[in-house]
Amino acid sequence: DAGVTQSPTHLIKTRGQQVTLRCSPKSGHDTVSWYQQALGQGPQFIFQYYEEEERQRGNFPDRFSGHQFPNYSSELNVNALLLGDSALYLCASSDPRVPYGYTFGSGTRLTVV
Amino acid sequence: AQRVTQPEKLLSVFKGAPVELKCNYSYSGSPELFWYVQYSRQRLQLLLRHISRESIKGFTADLNKGETSFHLKKPFAQEEDSAMYYCALSGGDTGANSKLTFGKGITLSVRP
Repeated sequence: DAGVTQSPTHLIKTRGQQVTLRCSPKSGHDTVSWYQQALGQGPQFIFQYYEEEERQRGNFPDRFSGHQFPNYSSELNVNALLLGDSALYLCASSDPRVPYGYTFGSGTRLTVV
Repeated sequence: AQRVTQPEKLLSVFKGAPVELKCNYSYSGSPELFWYVQYSRQRLQLLLRHISRESIKGFTADLNKGETSFHLKKPFAQEEDSAMYYCALSGGDTGANSKLTFGKGITLSVRP
């Protein structure tokens, strides 16, 4: 089992551009959560997807959006990139039947220049 | 609102010394508290959670609701304990997969 897979591992974007990050959950998991981890900070919750719908959302602007596909994989989209969006983006998958059984991916390192 | 505070950024101890990583929280409801660990070049992973009342790798943590604290302790540190440690909180009364609120983390360095 590969666990949670995120792609790409690194990318560099220019301010104002749009970016899409991808996450494949652990086998058997159907819930995907996204976190942003700025340098020197703990992960901050962006949103969570379950049954292809956004179930919870953190304090992030509408520039951050997501999607979940029927196979439970998920995408995080960020529009109109700002320098402050530079961070490590983590995906965590879970099974609602296993309370708090989150499995984290290795993350995507986004640099906005 | 949920808030987790880890007041220290770095703790450096010698092998065999006791370790206490501090965590304080703010939450009006019934919290679920966790410690996550990230070893060098590895993914963030769950170390322990308060509802399990278990000891993992010699670490324990007791939830003190009066002091709103969830400090992580180990009586004798080992070099392999060197890692980044994050305290996290979830609203226990908002579902078993509610969002996690993390502290800023603390780097534990265990010297030989």
